[in-house]
Amino acid sequence: EVQLVESGGGLVQPGGSLRLSCAVSGFTVSNYWMHWVRQAPGKGLVWVSRMYSDGGSTSYADSVKGRFTISRDNAKNTLYLQMNSLRVEDTAVYYCARGKFYENSGYSYYDYWGQGTLVTVSS
Amino acid sequence: DIQMTQSPSSLSASVGDRVTITCRASQSIRTYLNWYQQKPGKAPKVLIYEASSLQSGVPSRFSGSGSGTDFTLTISSLQPEDFATYYCQQSLTVVWTFGQGTKVEIK
Repeated sequence: EVQLVESGGGLVQPGGSLRLSCAVSGFTVSNYWMHWVRQAPGKGLVWVSRMYSDGGSTSYADSVKGRFTISRDNAKNTLYLQMNSLRVEDTAVYYCARGKFYENSGYSYYDYWGQGTLVTVSS
Repeated sequence: DIQMTQSPSSLSASVGDRVTITCRASQSIRTYLNWYQQKPGKAPKVLIYEASSLQSGVPSRFSGSGSGTDFTLTISSLQPEDFATYYCQQSLTVVWTFGQGTKVEIK
């Protein structure tokens, strides 16, 4: 059974740091595109970052570029999001999600999500 | 980045109603369009991918259509468990973007 379990959220002051973890089971994290998506309270979904399955190349939304770093530990089958220089506007539930990718067509979508972890940035 | 605009932002409907939600992209995304359902406090769940392909396990009352810039999600006969927020999402470009959501409420 595929499962994604996020942890590491909490309350942090502006300018602080947090590291989110996403422990996966039922598949190998390095074989899939893995994403972080966030949702501010009462708002919509926003893509944050992606780690590709090939060697681990990465992409980031402009709003977090230079502050957030996505990584993975293949031995622990875990995805991470290191968040530095946090701002009030980073307050959100952070989801990790698996990207299903069809190589022949290039189509892709999120087929599995974690339950989310809440990050609150406030003084 | 490609902007995705959904309409309406919310709607009220009754059980058994046919419901249609539209999604417009700021530029052509061919059929790189997915639809998700999200219930309060829960993670989103994919309903439709590639504009019109029904995800395994999703009831057949859900359908999607469109290509280019204009897309539609249709629920043929609304059921009590369908009251939720629906999001479209494009996956053509590196930056995946979502619509702002459509909340389907009970009339």
